[in-house]
Amino acid sequence: GAVVSQHPSWVICKSGTSVKIECRSLDFQATTMFWYRQFPKQSLMLMATSNEGSKATYEQGVEKDKFLINHASLTLSTLTVTSAHPEDSSFYICSARTSPEVAEVPQYNEQFFGPGTRLTVL
Amino acid sequence: GQNIDQPTEMTATEGAIVQINCTYQTSGFNGLFWYQQHAGEAPTFLSYNVLDGLEEKGRFSSFLSRSKGYSYLLLKELQMKDSASYLCAVSLYNTDKLIFGTGTRLQVFP
Repeated sequence: GAVVSQHPSWVICKSGTSVKIECRSLDFQATTMFWYRQFPKQSLMLMATSNEGSKATYEQGVEKDKFLINHASLTLSTLTVTSAHPEDSSFYICSARTSPEVAEVPQYNEQFFGPGTRLTVL
Repeated sequence: GQNIDQPTEMTATEGAIVQINCTYQTSGFNGLFWYQQHAGEAPTFLSYNVLDGLEEKGRFSSFLSRSKGYSYLLLKELQMKDSASYLCAVSLYNTDKLIFGTGTRLQVFP
């Protein structure tokens, strides 16, 4: 099955520093990757959609200069939280999907989720 | 805008049946997913409905009524390990996006 990994699984950093989170699709080419944020006891909130080779599309209210997304290859997307502050502490989850042309069930639009990264900003 | 509602919390007894409802108001509906998420872990896929009706998969079934903007997840023969959050998510037509509902935390008691 489709496997998505994230690194690191958890990170603690000081306020004002930047943190990079990697999302990799291990056994398929991910034309599109998504970044979500989840606060405790809340649901997933989509932050941005990232297509390989193009700029990410951010959801309303998400600062693109603070959350830098790079999708340089079909198997890797990175999220960099710049100048992190305690309110950025959250669970960050990525997901990936392949193109409809090669998907097993094209209309499925299924996303495969990574295991998440727990960010704590002190 | 997009709006997806679920009950916040539910409790049930081991061996019982529980139904988790999801109502949605979205533009460009292209299917509904149910995911299970244990605390601190990523969501795992449970089911997908795009046509009206019931999809059964082992102990879990999912129902969809597009005209009513309504879905439910039915869990039978509950086990302790079913204690988790259950997320319904709507796939939007012509985009790649999944819009997640508020999530339902289910606690199963012995």
